[in-house]
Amino acid sequence: EVQLVESGGGLVQPGGSLRLSCAASGFTFSSYWMSWVRQAPGKGLEWVANIKQDGSEKYYVDSVKGRFTISRDNAKNSLYLQMNSLRAEDTAVYYCARPYCSSTSCLSDAFDIWGQGTMVTVSS
Amino acid sequence: DIQMTQSPSTLSASVGDRVTITCRASQSISSWLAWYQQKPGKAPKLLIYKASSLESGVPSRFSGSGSGTEFTLTISSLQPDDFATYYCQQYNSIGVTFGGGTKVEIK
Repeated sequence: EVQLVESGGGLVQPGGSLRLSCAASGFTFSSYWMSWVRQAPGKGLEWVANIKQDGSEKYYVDSVKGRFTISRDNAKNSLYLQMNSLRAEDTAVYYCARPYCSSTSCLSDAFDIWGQGTMVTVSS
Repeated sequence: DIQMTQSPSTLSASVGDRVTITCRASQSISSWLAWYQQKPGKAPKLLIYKASSLESGVPSRFSGSGSGTEFTLTISSLQPDDFATYYCQQYNSIGVTFGGGTKVEIK
């Protein structure tokens, strides 16, 4: 079964750090760009970051540039999001998502596989 | 950034109704548009990709159309399982963006 399982969410104070993980199974993880998408409570979906198959290219939404770092370990079939200098507005459910196509050119695509999400709450 | 605007934000309908949701892009995105269904506490589920291609396993009552800047998602006969929130997403540019969502409620 194709699956993504996120972990690492929790309650953190403003200015703090958190590292999210996403474990992939059931498909060739190293063949796909991978993304993080978040959803603030009661709000819509916002793409956060993505990373190329070999980790050589990374892109971020402007609001997290310089604070968040996306990375991956293909040997462990895992995706990560290091979040530093967290703000209240970063409070959200964070999903990892797999794009529909597996080409190295698919840096923008629809997402056909999503994890269940992990909640990050930034509050004092 | 490409802005995606969905309308309406909320829609009240009955089982059996034909429902149409509109999504407009701030610039042309060709046919690089997807539609998702999301239920409370769950991850989004892909329904339509490339504007009109039905994802495997999705009921044929769902259909998508449009190109350029204007797109529609149609549910031909609303079923009880279809009450949910629907999002469009453009993937024409680096940094995909989503519409604000349309909540389909029971009338």
